[in-house]
Amino acid sequence: DVKVTQSSRYLVKRTGEKVFLECVQDMDHENMFWYRQDPGLGLRLIYFSYDVKMKEKGDIPEGYSVSREKKERFSLILESASTNQTSMYLCASRWEVGEGPRPEAFFGQGTRLTVV
Amino acid sequence: EDQVTQSPEALRLQEGESSSLNCSYTVSGLRGLFWYRQDPGKGPEFLFTLYSAGEEKEKERLKATLTKKESFLHITAPKPEDSATYLCAVRGGWGKLQFGAGTQVVVTP
Repeated sequence: DVKVTQSSRYLVKRTGEKVFLECVQDMDHENMFWYRQDPGLGLRLIYFSYDVKMKEKGDIPEGYSVSREKKERFSLILESASTNQTSMYLCASRWEVGEGPRPEAFFGQGTRLTVV
Repeated sequence: EDQVTQSPEALRLQEGESSSLNCSYTVSGLRGLFWYRQDPGKGPEFLFTLYSAGEEKEKERLKATLTKKESFLHITAPKPEDSATYLCAVRGGWGKLQFGAGTQVVVTP
């Protein structure tokens, strides 16, 4: 079955640190996503990548950047962590629209990041 | 801009007490409406995809339906293991998934 793996389940970082969240998928999916999830706000899209080295801003890209050097790996970077970036971060992947047998996105287990 | 609104925010049910969750949406060119289940501390798990008004999908005690403006997730005779947050998402023109805030369901024995 499809597997989306996030590098850490829990992270605690200090304000001002540069933070890397890694995501790897094993299904050769073209599209990969980073969301953050906060109580009452649902999942909000940070960045989206539709192919290697390609990226699009989501709804809340400020304070974040991304990197996709290989098809299977999508990294989220917090350039200078702040307390308001404390959240659950979720990575997802799927086939390009119309290309794969299953249209849905598959999610990783999430990384709960606390910035102190 | 694509928007998804889920109601109610929370739902407490007795075991066996059937109910429905609502997902209202506005999207330019719907290319799929998705239902996910999320357990605490875990990533969302896919349940259903619906594409056109009138379509229905079923899985065990769950049934999802779709109209032009909303979708319903019906839970029939729920069990405690159905307790979870249920998320609705729509996919619009360029493939972006827009999520609602979710409905937290608690089923008590």
